[in-house]
Amino acid sequence: DVKVTQSSRYLVKRTGEKVFLECVQDMDHENMFWYRQDPGLGLRLIYFSYDVKMKEKGDIPEGYSVSREKKERFSLILESASTNQTSMYLCASTAQGVIKYGYTFGSGTRLTVV
Amino acid sequence: GEDVEQSLFLSVREGDSSVINCTYTDSSSTYLYWYKQEPGAGLQLLTYIFSNMDMKQDQRLTVLLNKKDKHLSLRIADTQTGDSAIYFCADERRRGSYIPTFGRGTSLIVHP
Repeated sequence: DVKVTQSSRYLVKRTGEKVFLECVQDMDHENMFWYRQDPGLGLRLIYFSYDVKMKEKGDIPEGYSVSREKKERFSLILESASTNQTSMYLCASTAQGVIKYGYTFGSGTRLTVV
Repeated sequence: GEDVEQSLFLSVREGDSSVINCTYTDSSSTYLYWYKQEPGAGLQLLTYIFSNMDMKQDQRLTVLLNKKDKHLSLRIADTQTGDSAIYFCADERRRGSYIPTFGRGTSLIVHP
Protein backbone atom coordinates (compact mmCIF):
# COMPACT_ATOMS: atom_id res chain seq x y z
CA ASP A 1 0.00 0.00 0.00
CA VAL A 2 1.60 3.23 -1.16
CA LYS A 3 1.92 5.95 1.39
CA VAL A 4 2.62 9.54 2.15
CA THR A 5 3.53 9.79 5.81
CA GLN A 6 3.51 12.99 7.81
CA SER A 7 5.53 12.66 10.96
CA SER A 8 3.09 14.30 13.36
CA ARG A 9 -0.71 14.38 13.48
CA TYR A 10 -0.82 17.18 16.04
CA LEU A 11 1.73 19.80 17.01
CA VAL A 12 1.57 22.70 19.43
CA LYS A 13 4.31 25.30 19.15
CA ARG A 14 5.00 28.70 20.63
CA THR A 15 5.12 31.94 18.68
CA GLY A 16 8.61 32.55 17.36
CA GLU A 17 9.69 28.91 17.40
CA LYS A 18 11.25 27.29 14.34
CA VAL A 19 8.98 24.45 13.24
CA PHE A 20 9.74 21.51 10.95
CA LEU A 21 6.96 19.50 9.33
CA GLU A 22 8.22 16.31 7.75
CA CYS A 23 6.73 14.34 4.87
CA VAL A 24 8.00 11.04 3.47
CA GLN A 25 6.66 9.07 0.49
CA ASP A 26 7.54 5.53 -0.49
CA MET A 27 6.39 5.62 -4.11
CA ASP A 28 9.51 7.07 -5.75
CA HIS A 29 7.46 10.09 -6.83
CA GLU A 30 9.24 13.04 -8.35
CA ASN A 31 6.70 15.70 -7.37
CA MET A 32 5.90 16.68 -3.83
CA PHE A 33 3.65 19.43 -2.47
CA TRP A 34 2.76 21.25 0.71
CA TYR A 35 -0.74 22.70 1.17
CA ARG A 36 -2.44 24.33 4.08
CA GLN A 37 -6.13 23.79 4.67
CA ASP A 38 -8.31 26.29 6.48
CA PRO A 39 -12.09 26.18 6.95
CA GLY A 40 -13.89 27.97 4.14
CA LEU A 41 -10.65 28.55 2.23
CA GLY A 42 -9.98 25.04 0.96
CA LEU A 43 -6.44 23.98 0.09
CA ARG A 44 -3.82 26.56 -0.73
CA LEU A 45 -0.47 25.62 -2.23
CA ILE A 46 2.55 26.74 -0.21
CA TYR A 47 5.51 25.16 -2.03
CA PHE A 48 6.18 22.28 -4.39
CA SER A 49 9.17 20.41 -5.69
CA TYR A 50 9.79 18.57 -8.97
CA ASP A 51 13.00 16.91 -7.95
CA VAL A 52 15.67 16.70 -5.32
CA LYS A 53 17.01 20.13 -4.33
CA MET A 54 14.40 21.84 -6.51
CA LYS A 55 11.62 23.98 -5.10
CA GLU A 56 8.98 26.33 -6.45
CA LYS A 57 6.80 28.84 -4.65
CA GLY A 58 3.10 28.19 -4.59
CA ASP A 59 0.35 30.69 -3.90
CA ILE A 60 1.16 31.50 -0.26
CA PRO A 61 4.91 30.95 0.38
CA GLU A 62 5.40 33.89 2.75
CA GLY A 63 6.62 32.78 6.17
CA TYR A 64 7.56 29.30 4.93
CA SER A 65 10.54 27.57 3.39
CA VAL A 66 11.12 24.00 2.24
CA SER A 67 13.89 21.48 1.93
CA ARG A 68 14.22 18.47 -0.35
CA GLU A 69 17.56 16.79 0.15
CA LYS A 70 16.30 13.31 -0.70
CA LYS A 71 13.70 12.26 -3.22
CA GLU A 72 11.42 10.67 -0.66
CA ARG A 73 11.42 13.51 1.88
CA PHE A 74 9.98 17.01 1.64
CA SER A 75 10.16 19.25 4.70
CA LEU A 76 8.19 22.39 5.39
CA ILE A 77 9.88 24.92 7.67
CA LEU A 78 8.28 27.75 9.58
CA GLU A 79 11.24 29.96 10.40
CA SER A 80 9.43 31.87 13.15
CA ALA A 81 5.98 30.49 13.82
CA SER A 82 3.11 32.93 14.17
CA THR A 83 -0.47 32.43 15.30
CA ASN A 84 -1.79 32.97 11.77
CA GLN A 85 0.06 29.82 10.76
CA THR A 86 -2.23 27.74 12.91
CA SER A 87 -3.72 25.39 10.34
CA MET A 88 -3.93 21.88 8.93
CA TYR A 89 -0.93 21.13 6.73
CA LEU A 90 -1.22 18.50 4.02
CA CYS A 91 1.61 16.93 2.06
CA ALA A 92 1.01 15.26 -1.31
CA SER A 93 3.03 13.55 -4.00
CA THR A 94 2.62 12.37 -7.56
CA ALA A 95 4.74 10.73 -10.22
CA GLN A 96 5.92 12.79 -13.16
CA GLY A 97 3.63 12.40 -16.14
CA VAL A 98 1.03 10.32 -14.32
CA ILE A 99 -1.26 13.19 -13.50
CA LYS A 100 -4.46 11.33 -14.23
CA TYR A 101 -3.96 9.10 -11.23
CA GLY A 102 -4.13 12.10 -9.01
CA TYR A 103 -2.20 13.02 -5.98
CA THR A 104 -1.57 10.89 -2.94
CA PHE A 105 -2.06 12.85 0.26
CA GLY A 106 -0.80 12.34 3.76
CA SER A 107 -3.19 12.38 6.70
CA GLY A 108 -2.23 15.92 7.65
CA THR A 109 -0.54 17.70 10.54
CA ARG A 110 -2.71 19.97 12.63
CA LEU A 111 -0.43 22.75 13.87
CA THR A 112 -1.45 25.11 16.64
CA VAL A 113 0.76 28.11 17.35
CA VAL A 114 0.14 29.68 20.75
CA GLY B 1 -8.53 28.29 -4.84
CA GLU B 2 -10.84 31.18 -5.68
CA ASP B 3 -10.83 30.26 -9.40
CA VAL B 4 -12.51 26.96 -8.66
CA GLU B 5 -15.90 27.58 -7.08
CA GLN B 6 -18.07 25.23 -5.08
CA SER B 7 -20.93 25.72 -2.69
CA LEU B 8 -19.82 25.07 0.89
CA PHE B 9 -22.61 22.80 2.16
CA LEU B 10 -25.06 20.21 0.91
CA SER B 11 -27.51 18.28 3.06
CA VAL B 12 -29.40 15.22 1.78
CA ARG B 13 -31.41 12.32 3.15
CA GLU B 14 -30.01 8.82 3.09
CA GLY B 15 -31.06 7.05 -0.11
CA ASP B 16 -31.46 10.27 -2.11
CA SER B 17 -29.07 11.41 -4.83
CA SER B 18 -26.50 14.12 -4.11
CA VAL B 19 -25.25 16.52 -6.73
CA ILE B 20 -22.19 18.60 -6.01
CA ASN B 21 -21.43 21.36 -8.49
CA CYS B 22 -18.19 23.10 -9.39
CA THR B 23 -17.13 25.81 -11.82
CA TYR B 24 -13.54 26.25 -12.92
CA THR B 25 -11.69 28.76 -15.05
CA ASP B 26 -8.64 27.05 -16.56
CA SER B 27 -9.73 25.68 -19.92
CA SER B 28 -6.31 24.08 -20.49
CA SER B 29 -6.90 21.45 -17.79
CA THR B 30 -6.39 17.99 -19.25
CA TYR B 31 -8.01 16.29 -16.30
CA LEU B 32 -10.51 17.43 -13.71
CA TYR B 33 -10.77 15.73 -10.37
CA TRP B 34 -12.99 15.01 -7.44
CA TYR B 35 -11.36 14.30 -4.10
CA LYS B 36 -13.01 13.17 -0.88
CA GLN B 37 -11.84 14.05 2.61
CA GLU B 38 -13.24 12.14 5.56
CA PRO B 39 -12.97 13.63 9.05
CA GLY B 40 -9.42 13.73 10.35
CA ALA B 41 -7.93 12.37 7.13
CA GLY B 42 -6.12 13.62 4.06
CA LEU B 43 -7.71 13.81 0.63
CA GLN B 44 -8.36 10.72 -1.44
CA LEU B 45 -8.85 10.76 -5.18
CA LEU B 46 -12.47 9.78 -5.80
CA THR B 47 -12.64 10.04 -9.55
CA TYR B 48 -11.37 12.06 -12.47
CA ILE B 49 -12.52 12.89 -15.96
CA PHE B 50 -10.50 13.54 -19.07
CA SER B 51 -11.32 16.91 -20.60
CA ASN B 52 -12.57 15.50 -23.90
CA MET B 53 -15.27 13.48 -22.15
CA ASP B 54 -18.77 14.65 -21.25
CA MET B 55 -19.58 12.00 -18.72
CA LYS B 56 -17.97 9.30 -16.66
CA GLN B 57 -19.78 6.73 -14.57
CA ASP B 58 -18.24 4.62 -11.85
CA GLN B 59 -20.71 2.59 -9.79
CA ARG B 60 -22.70 5.13 -7.73
CA LEU B 61 -20.69 8.08 -9.03
CA THR B 62 -21.47 10.05 -12.18
CA VAL B 63 -19.27 12.94 -13.30
CA LEU B 64 -20.64 15.40 -15.85
CA LEU B 65 -18.42 17.90 -17.62
CA ASN B 66 -19.65 20.90 -19.60
CA LYS B 67 -16.50 22.40 -21.11
CA LYS B 68 -18.32 25.28 -22.74
CA ASP B 69 -19.62 26.50 -19.38
CA LYS B 70 -16.59 25.19 -17.43
CA HIS B 71 -18.96 23.31 -15.15
CA LEU B 72 -18.24 20.02 -13.44
CA SER B 73 -20.64 18.04 -11.30
CA LEU B 74 -20.49 14.92 -9.16
CA ARG B 75 -23.63 12.89 -8.63
CA ILE B 76 -23.73 10.26 -5.90
CA ALA B 77 -26.65 7.88 -6.28
CA ASP B 78 -28.29 6.27 -3.24
CA THR B 79 -26.31 8.44 -0.83
CA GLN B 80 -25.27 6.71 2.37
CA THR B 81 -24.22 8.10 5.76
CA GLY B 82 -20.70 6.91 4.96
CA ASP B 83 -20.65 9.39 2.10
CA SER B 84 -20.64 12.27 4.59
CA ALA B 85 -17.37 14.08 3.92
CA ILE B 86 -15.90 17.14 2.26
CA TYR B 87 -15.70 16.90 -1.53
CA PHE B 88 -13.15 18.94 -3.43
CA CYS B 89 -13.20 19.74 -7.09
CA ALA B 90 -9.81 20.42 -8.72
CA ASP B 91 -8.60 21.58 -12.11
CA GLU B 92 -5.00 21.83 -13.27
CA ARG B 93 -2.77 24.83 -13.77
CA ARG B 94 0.42 24.74 -15.75
CA ARG B 95 3.42 25.80 -13.66
CA GLY B 96 6.13 23.86 -15.41
CA SER B 97 4.21 20.71 -14.70
CA TYR B 98 0.47 20.61 -14.04
CA ILE B 99 -0.55 21.52 -10.53
CA PRO B 100 -4.06 20.98 -9.20
CA THR B 101 -5.99 23.96 -7.92
CA PHE B 102 -8.68 23.03 -5.47
CA GLY B 103 -12.02 24.55 -4.72
CA ARG B 104 -12.98 25.35 -1.14
CA GLY B 105 -14.74 22.02 -0.70
CA THR B 106 -18.39 21.07 -0.27
CA SER B 107 -19.36 19.52 3.05
CA LEU B 108 -21.91 16.78 2.33
CA ILE B 109 -24.10 15.93 5.29
CA VAL B 110 -26.26 12.82 4.98
CA HIS B 111 -29.23 12.52 7.34
CA PRO B 112 -30.66 9.11 8.25
